[in-house]
Amino acid sequence: ELKVEQNPLFLSMQEGKNYTIYCNYSTTSDRLYWYRQDPGKSLESLFVLLSNGAVKQEGRLMASLDTKARLSTLHITAAVHDLSATYFCAVGSNYQLIWGAGTKLIIKP
Amino acid sequence: EPEVTQTPSHQVTQMGQEVILRCVPISNHLYFYWYRQILGQKVEFLVSFYNNEISEKSEIFDDQFSVERPDGSNFTLKIRSTKLEDSAMYFCASSEAGTGGPGGELFFGEGSRLTVL
Repeated sequence: ELKVEQNPLFLSMQEGKNYTIYCNYSTTSDRLYWYRQDPGKSLESLFVLLSNGAVKQEGRLMASLDTKARLSTLHITAAVHDLSATYFCAVGSNYQLIWGAGTKLIIKP
Repeated sequence: EPEVTQTPSHQVTQMGQEVILRCVPISNHLYFYWYRQILGQKVEFLVSFYNNEISEKSEIFDDQFSVERPDGSNFTLKIRSTKLEDSAMYFCASSEAGTGGPGGELFFGEGSRLTVL
């Protein structure tokens, strides 16, 4: 059974700081997705990582994938308040995505 | 920008009643999905649908659940006899291709909140 673990589950940080969210998964997959969810809202696609060593960046967020280590990271650079949200990683398995529990990120001004 | 639309945004129902949640996927997408999220918890896969048939379903998707694409645009989820534990946010999603490669990115609707009393 494919399992996806995120850590930390909760992160409170100051604006301007850097931090990394980790996503580990238990079986072989080369399809990793990161989503953002604001409270009471839908799931917004951030990154799609489809190969070992893939790195994608959008603004202050950068995601990477190491399929050999079964690890993806979401790095936040110089955090700003607008990045406060819950971030989910999800791993592709056949026709579905298996989701991590989410990391609730609070960025304090 | 094309988007997935869902109706209703919120439905309150009595236990044992039937509920139909509706979705209009992005028009050129071929793969359709239902996921649900119990408040504050992780997102759970229910079912995927391609070429007018179910391609994969989870253990949650038991005989009480069914999906249908009654015409060229709508994709529906029916819960035949709702239970208290069916209370959740239900998200419809669509993708251009399967999740196995390029074009497999899922685009989600705004969700339908189901409250079962």
